[in-house]
Amino acid sequence: AQSVSQHNHHVILSEAASLELGCNYSYGGTVNLFWYVQYPGQHLQLLLKYFSGDPLVKGIKGFEAEFIKSKFSFNLRKPSVQWSDTAEYFCAVNPQTGANNLFFGTGTRLTVIP
Amino acid sequence: EPEVTQTPSHQVTQMGQEVILRCVPISNHLYFYWYRQILGQKVEFLVSFYNNEISEKSEIFDDQFSVERPDGSNFTLKIRSTKLEDSAMYFCASSATGRVEQFFGPGTRLTVL
Repeated sequence: AQSVSQHNHHVILSEAASLELGCNYSYGGTVNLFWYVQYPGQHLQLLLKYFSGDPLVKGIKGFEAEFIKSKFSFNLRKPSVQWSDTAEYFCAVNPQTGANNLFFGTGTRLTVIP
Repeated sequence: EPEVTQTPSHQVTQMGQEVILRCVPISNHLYFYWYRQILGQKVEFLVSFYNNEISEKSEIFDDQFSVERPDGSNFTLKIRSTKLEDSAMYFCASSATGRVEQFFGPGTRLTVL
């Protein structure tokens, strides 16, 4: 069965620190990859997505993610976090089987200390 | 910017009661989804819906669950006889034809007592 792993459950950083959140998936075929963010009290919002092409994708708010096919990974990065980045971050995978359902990781809670 | 909306934001019910969770997808979207997140666990896919029928469903989506698009705007999830383990946050999502990315609503927190 497909699974998505986010190994960091809670990350605490000071403002201006660099961020990297890990995401690994288990699926042998072609996948679409997503990072969603959930700010406190708000709904899931799409940060960025990868379908094909350049494995380094840029999203909103200065986030980027790199797809490494050989490692089945899609790690999220930001060079310098802000207090407003405090949120829960979810990696999600859609196997390209024709169905559109997403498989989510357990999420990583990011706390940025001012 | 159009958004997916959900009502109610919080529903409290007694075990064995029926609940209906409501969603209004983005107006030009034709694919609809329900997900749930039990506290402390991952977001899990329940069901997808297109052209007035279920496209995919997970093992979680058993006979206690049903979905319906009763009119041109609403998309509902019904749980016929709630169990304690149905307590979770339920998210509705929608996507446009030919697009994989899904837009999520704010969720309904269901508490079964």
